Order: sequence, then structure tokens, then C-alpha cells
Amino acid sequence: QKEVEQNSGPLSVPEGAIASLNCTYSDRGSQSFFWYRQYSGKSPELIMFIYSNGDKEDGRFTAQLNKASQYVSLLIRDSQPSDSATYLCAVYSGTYKYIFGTGTRLKDLA
Amino acid sequence: EAQVTQNPRYLITVTGKKLTVTCSQNMNHEYMSWYRQDPGLGLRQIYYSMNVEVTDKGDVPEGYKVSRKEKRNFPLILESPSPNQTSLYFCASSYSVNTEAFFGQGTRLTVV
Repeated sequence: QKEVEQNSGPLSVPEGAIASLNCTYSDRGSQSFFWYRQYSGKSPELIMFIYSNGDKEDGRFTAQLNKASQYVSLLIRDSQPSDSATYLCAVYSGTYKYIFGTGTRLKDLA
Repeated sequence: EAQVTQNPRYLITVTGKKLTVTCSQNMNHEYMSWYRQDPGLGLRQIYYSMNVEVTDKGDVPEGYKVSRKEKRNFPLILESPSPNQTSLYFCASSYSVNTEAFFGQGTRLTVV
């Protein structure tokens, strides 16, 4: 089982709709969770981080963490063409390693 | 401007010819790491460093070396590159291991 798993997509979302991206992780001791966005040919950039169970909102983005079920998700409201990118989930599990999922490609249907 | 700078951005080299990819950050971050990104495999950590003179292996360290003699610099060394090291490489730094990582622009390496 991979340590951090994401559906590779592509996930097609109509403009204005809500995009839902999911990530599961295997290490129950994981402490910190991050979502990065990566445009084609560019470097990843942080969108959200979350440390505690529940929801965290920042503008059009909401991160949701459920440690009991070992998943973290990212909701993007009012999807825009500029949201078309690959979204990477990253997890810090307390062993000085920062582990990334393979990413979910989001395709915005403008 | 806060940034992580990698050089070169693109490199084509031949098998066995030693090369170094440089990485420098100006944010006084303690934690630095190197990743390679391959299609379908995502970002995989090669080496990381918790501070000056403290480095450790990530998930795919074979064929690579690193050093951390100064806080701001974390070069990646390929002593004898092979074609399976053809990849997109990213350097990243963060204040500590469980905070936001800032990435360099990437280095696209081709080994022929």
C-alpha cells in the first residue's frame, strides 16, 4: 500500500462547480497535511495546510481532515479555468520525511 | 524576495560524467530536501537535511550525494549519472520539516 494515495484523474469539473479532491494516508501517526498546486512545467506551490481534525477554509478552498479514517480532502468552490492543474497531497508523519502523493489532475471545463 | 534558486534549469549530459545541481535559499530555513518527479510516480524524496552538516536518505537515494556545509546551500551531486536518473528535480526548503515547503524552479536533467 502506498503511503499517500490520490486518484490520478483527470477529474473534469465544469466552471463554477465544486471540485472535490481526496487523499488517503497509511501512517496513523501522521501529524501535518498539505495541499500543493502544480501547473504544468512549474514547481509546486502551497494552497492549504491542516493539522487538526475538521475543516479549514481559505477563500474558495476548504481542507478537510479526518484522522480516524486517515483521509484529507480539498474542496475548490466556484471552479475557474485557472484551477486546471495537478493537486498534490503531502503528509508529514514525524520521521523527518515529507511524503507526497502522485497528484490528481484537475481539468476545468470552461 | 524570498526564494529557492536551483541551477541549472536544464541539463543534458552523458552517462558517467559527474555533475552538481546547486540549490540555495535566502529564508534562513533549517530543513532542505531534494525530490525527483517522474510521470506516474509523483514527487519522491532523494535526500533531506535537518540543518548544517545533518543529512539523511529519503526514499530514492541511490546514485546521489548531498552536502550541507552552509545553511543556505544544499547541492545535489550525481557522481556517475545513468539514464535512469533522467528526471525533473526539485529542491525545497522549509522553516521546519512540518511546515510549508518552498520549491525551486526545477532542473530538467537528461542523461544520454
